[in-house]
Amino acid sequence: DGGITQSPKYLFRKEGQNVTLSCEQNLNHDAMYWYRQDPGQGLRLIYYSQIVNDFQKGDIAEGYSVSREKKESFPLTVTSAQKNPTAFYLCASSLTGGTTEAFFGQGTRLTVV
Amino acid sequence: KQEVTQIPAALSVPEGENLVLNCSFTDSAIYNLQWFRQDPGKGLTSLLLIQSSQREQTSGRLNASLDKSSGRSTLYIAASQPGDSATYLCAVPYGGATNKLIFGTGTLLAVQP
Repeated sequence: DGGITQSPKYLFRKEGQNVTLSCEQNLNHDAMYWYRQDPGQGLRLIYYSQIVNDFQKGDIAEGYSVSREKKESFPLTVTSAQKNPTAFYLCASSLTGGTTEAFFGQGTRLTVV
Repeated sequence: KQEVTQIPAALSVPEGENLVLNCSFTDSAIYNLQWFRQDPGKGLTSLLLIQSSQREQTSGRLNASLDKSSGRSTLYIAASQPGDSATYLCAVPYGGATNKLIFGTGTLLAVQP
């Protein structure tokens, strides 16, 4: 089945720890995105990538890092510099251009313990 | 800066009722508008993508309309069912020819059996 796979579904982070969220797609999409969802605030863009080996900051990139070494994969690292990481993280992909449909994964819920 | 608003924030209807969800946006220079469904704790499922050149798009019991000049879109759900209970989100691309999305905060729909 074509789609976007995010793992793990639940992730717990200790204070001062870096954690990495996985996102893999088999839709042959060039563009991939990471969003953060908080109650009452809607989704906000963290990072996006239009092509392999290139990525751009979104609206709330501080405390996060990404890589795009393969077309299929766009992992997100939540670093210890992110002061409020508890949230629901969603990965998306699309063809490039502003007229195409975006598809989302099932999300990763990150909790600080 | 583009802003997307969804009204009402929550809606409860009896099964079988037809209903309309509203989405408004402040900048009419959009490529398209996309409607999503989100079940609790899950990712986003794309329902309909309506291009800027279109006025309507239909899928089964769902019909989305777009009026760019007034900055409005509606999602019409016919003969609602308890399985339609979810949060409905609308989103528009921003920032040029990319598919970065800005989202409304959603409408939480409950269909009572």
